[in-house]
Amino acid sequence: EAGVTQFPSHSVIEKGQTVTLRCDPISGHDNLYWYRRVMGKEIKFLLHFVKESKQDESGMPNNRFLAERTGGTYSTLKVQPAELEDSGVYFCASSQSPFGLDEQYFGPGTRLTVT
Amino acid sequence: AQSVTQPDIHITVSEGASLELRCNYSYGATPYLFWYVQSPGQGLQLLLKYFSGDTLVQGIKGFEAEFKRSQSSFNLRKPSVHWSDAAEYFCAVTGTASKLTFGTGTRLQVTL
Repeated sequence: EAGVTQFPSHSVIEKGQTVTLRCDPISGHDNLYWYRRVMGKEIKFLLHFVKESKQDESGMPNNRFLAERTGGTYSTLKVQPAELEDSGVYFCASSQSPFGLDEQYFGPGTRLTVT
Repeated sequence: AQSVTQPDIHITVSEGASLELRCNYSYGATPYLFWYVQSPGQGLQLLLKYFSGDTLVQGIKGFEAEFKRSQSSFNLRKPSVHWSDAAEYFCAVTGTASKLTFGTGTRLQVTL
């Protein structure tokens, strides 16, 4: 069974440009999460999808970030326009159950560098 | 609000030595606690989790953790470290909501 995959693995863009990150969860997992780790800081929750619906987006930093999950399968996270402070590693995770009891399976992350 | 503190940013141990990574949490109710490990180029892998019951939890790769409610701690231990254990370790907590709150991580270096 394939794990959570993320694309690209690395992205380097200039301030003001747009970047789209993609996450493919484990097949059959209705729950999809995005997290971000800024260098030297903790991994922080961004948002949670249940199928195609946003269950919790309390961690989204601002309206420059747009997450979508078309058809309840893969998800994209778009940053437009990118700022220097958006640099970090963006992790995606998926799980079968939305409750805290269930393990979240993480992808390898996308390292975003904004110059 | 829930929070996790991992006071050790970086730890170095010799191969074969014992290991203890510290984790303190803040949460108003009964927490669900996790330890994840991230090896270079890999995603986070779950080592173990605590939900309820026995406060000593066994995980994969020979790791264990003990939940101590009185100390709000969930320290990770391994009796004998292997060079392949070099990685970054994250403690996390959640409650009724499913989002995880992580600590800042502890980077483990293993010397031969």
